[in-house]
Amino acid sequence: QKEVEQNSGPLSVPEGAIASLNCTYSDRGSQSFFWYRQYSGKSPELIMSIYSNGDKEDGRFTAQLNKASQYVSLLIRDSQPSDSATYLCAVISTSGTYKYIFGTGTRLKVLA
Amino acid sequence: EAGVTQFPSHSVIEKGQTVTLRCDPISGHDNLYWYRRVMGKEIKFLLHFVKESKQDESGMPNNRFLAERTGGTYSTLKVQPAELEDSGVYFCASSPGQLGETQYFGPGTRLLVL
Repeated sequence: QKEVEQNSGPLSVPEGAIASLNCTYSDRGSQSFFWYRQYSGKSPELIMSIYSNGDKEDGRFTAQLNKASQYVSLLIRDSQPSDSATYLCAVISTSGTYKYIFGTGTRLKVLA
Repeated sequence: EAGVTQFPSHSVIEKGQTVTLRCDPISGHDNLYWYRRVMGKEIKFLLHFVKESKQDESGMPNNRFLAERTGGTYSTLKVQPAELEDSGVYFCASSPGQLGETQYFGPGTRLLVL
């Protein structure tokens, strides 16, 4: 079992729809979770961090965390073609250092 | 404020050659991380510096990889001799003093070993 799992996609949604990206993790002790967006050939850039159970909203983005079920999700409302990218879920390791454990990323395509 | 920079952006070398990658973190960031993504796989941790000290080298594949961070500023990652399986994208990230917080990534160095 991978430590952090994401569906690689591509996930295709029409412009204006809600895109829902999911991530599950195996380490029940994990406390810090991050969503990054990466355009092809570019740096991963932070979209959202979340540390507590529940929802966290920032503009069109909402991160949801459920530690009991060990999943974290990212919702993108009113999806735009410019949101087309790979979305990376990262979890901070509890193994004594603070390295990120990444999922493989989900490729999102927003269709105009 | 300048972000994390990496040099070179691309490198194509032959098996057995040496390559040195450089990372300049955000000014004032004590934590510097190296990660690597090989084709079709997830981004994986290589090592972590706090200032000039190696905190965690658990992700380094083997002793052909040598990382340094002299003076606690920029870092280099040398691969010697390079093998085919070393091909991938090498990312550097940095974060300020408090561990567990957001890491800021550079654009990566795309290494191709032929």
